[in-house]
Amino acid sequence: DIQMTQSPSSLSASVGDRVTITCRASQKISTYLNWYQQKPGKAPKLLIYAASSLQSGVPSRFSGSGSGTDFTLTIISLQPEDFGTYYCQQSYSYPRTFGQGTKVEIK
Amino acid sequence: QVHLQESGPTLVKPSGTLSLTCTVSGGSISSYYWNWVRQPPGKGLEWIGSIYSSGNTNYNPSLKSRVTISIDTSTDQFSLTLYSVTAADTAVYYCVRQRGCGGSGCYSDQYYFDYWGQGTLVTVSS
Repeated sequence: DIQMTQSPSSLSASVGDRVTITCRASQKISTYLNWYQQKPGKAPKLLIYAASSLQSGVPSRFSGSGSGTDFTLTIISLQPEDFGTYYCQQSYSYPRTFGQGTKVEIK
Repeated sequence: QVHLQESGPTLVKPSGTLSLTCTVSGGSISSYYWNWVRQPPGKGLEWIGSIYSSGNTNYNPSLKSRVTISIDTSTDQFSLTLYSVTAADTAVYYCVRQRGCGGSGCYSDQYYFDYWGQGTLVTVSS
């Protein structure tokens, strides 16, 4: 199985801050990497697919980058509604695996 | 707009069988992969398995001996059966559509989970 490791596990930031979340794969996965946002009591929501493609309807303040084993999700100007837990997920091989999540809190 | 809805018992006894059905509406069940993902309370996401509309399946090796996923394209439903459950199987279970990238700048086999059901909490307890 491909292990996905996210850092940090949690963070607290102010509105307007630039926030970066990192995801590392245990082996090279090219750009077969997706990002999701989950709010409490809700299903995850797709933000970014194929490492850097923005899902339709997702605000442009979200962006993704990376290839191989190291990936980042960036929120260029954090908004109050961006609280929640963010997960990376690899689609390079089965079984599909997720990172452990990064909880984002608004200061 | 594609909509997925999970249904089934919310309480299962230890050593029993967990059975859930996902009903797909607003779009075709054909030509997509349909998945089950679960999330224990307060924990992260775990992929259980997937089925293509043709019936081909993939399972998480950690659960493979206890899992069956099936599909009925005539009713636009797919199902999860998990045998010999324990308290560790208590989780919110999501049904999820997986699709391949169809745009520029990505490969057709770059899959992602684009539509999720609301999830259903299944508790394993006597």
